[in-house]
Amino acid sequence: GAGVSQSPRYKVAKRGQDVALRCDPISGHVSLFWYQQALGQGPEFLTYFQNEAQLDKSGLPSDRFFAERPEGSVSTLKIQRTQQEDSAVYLCASSLPGQGAYEQYFGPGTRLTVT
Amino acid sequence: KQEVTQIPAALSVPEGENLVLNCSFTDSAIYNLQWFRQDPGKGLTSLLLIQSSQREQTSGRLNASLDKSSGRSTLYIAASQPGDSATYLCAVRDSNYQLIWGAGTKLIIKP
Repeated sequence: GAGVSQSPRYKVAKRGQDVALRCDPISGHVSLFWYQQALGQGPEFLTYFQNEAQLDKSGLPSDRFFAERPEGSVSTLKIQRTQQEDSAVYLCASSLPGQGAYEQYFGPGTRLTVT
Repeated sequence: KQEVTQIPAALSVPEGENLVLNCSFTDSAIYNLQWFRQDPGKGLTSLLLIQSSQREQTSGRLNASLDKSSGRSTLYIAASQPGDSATYLCAVRDSNYQLIWGAGTKLIIKP
């Protein structure tokens, strides 16, 4: 496909479970971003990759959150021992090189509900 | 630290009206500013991107302006339609990559 895709679209997890969220960026896009969007709020930055290198993970809320992009294309955001406050929409975006004013293109998001 | 504020938080207007959504930011050192639309249960659709050197961008019935010195942007929607109902988000890019977002304006266009 031509756009950013994410899977699953919806995920319900029991508190304490581990989850893995997948992002397929636009082919050829070097940069990949993860954002977290709580209900009624704007997205908040989580982490940034340029190719396989994670250049910024300052937005990850705790050490339970882990992201990887081992081959510089598909990325996975993993949340260990999920808590209710992790309930949110997780958005992935990709762009051409991160430096400069390149536009970020967003996927549909994964809505995570922790019960 | 950059902060982005959107006013109003919600807006309901009759179909056909022209309307303005506001976005303000605290640090004028930005690369660009984007306006997005978000429909319930769906992802973000980029509407307009204004580079820091630009004053405005237009696409169809949408016009976005940028005044960096005052830290403001407006999104003007002409001849509003029910299909314009959505949440509108603005985001500024104030580093090489990070987007800093407002909380959005929820717009309802009444038929």
